[in-house]
Amino acid sequence: GQNIDQPTEMTATEGAIVQINCTYQTSGFNGLFWYQQHAGEAPTFLSYNVLDGLEEKGRFSSFLSRSKGYSYLLLKELQMKDSASYLCAVRDLGYSTLTFGKGTMLLVSP
Amino acid sequence: SQTIHQWPATLVQPVGSPLSLECTVEGTSNPNLYWYRQAAGRGLQLLFYSVGIGQISSEVPQNLSASRPQDRQFILSSKKLLLSDSGFYLCAWSLESDTEAFFGQGTRLTVV
Repeated sequence: GQNIDQPTEMTATEGAIVQINCTYQTSGFNGLFWYQQHAGEAPTFLSYNVLDGLEEKGRFSSFLSRSKGYSYLLLKELQMKDSASYLCAVRDLGYSTLTFGKGTMLLVSP
Repeated sequence: SQTIHQWPATLVQPVGSPLSLECTVEGTSNPNLYWYRQAAGRGLQLLFYSVGIGQISSEVPQNLSASRPQDRQFILSSKKLLLSDSGFYLCAWSLESDTEAFFGQGTRLTVV
């Protein structure tokens, strides 16, 4: 089975940097995903890591350590529109289903 | 380009009534298809997934069922809704050779 943990809520200030952590214990691993979900909307894909290391995409970066079962999403130069829930998801082997964590609600204040 | 359509956007149904939510994907062939549910304060829970026509795998015992009558059509159904079936239902697709899953806009179901 899969167990994914991430903080429930985080707050940060506009222009700052925030790191959202995710730890996982899985029976099989074929990649880790981060999604952004605004209230009442569908999740949208942010990043994907399958090998150890840092993946950078604009203001967002994601890091993975497979040996530690650990990932983080780093958001730089925070904007008000970044207020959303951030979902960590692990892809298993076989049929490639995604198991999601409960999400971290990020509130960006002025 | 690929698009995914899911309808209706919102639905209010009485307890004991049937349910049918439809999802279609355009611009791709033989996608993997998924139904997720997101209850208030909880994460996305995988309900069903399908790797081909007529092939449905259920992740958790539910008052729900799924069908895939065509390659790019995925339907979520229930014969009798329960109050606990309320939630945000999301359809998604992915390709085996690809990485991320793409989500439809979701259906907000309220069972009263």
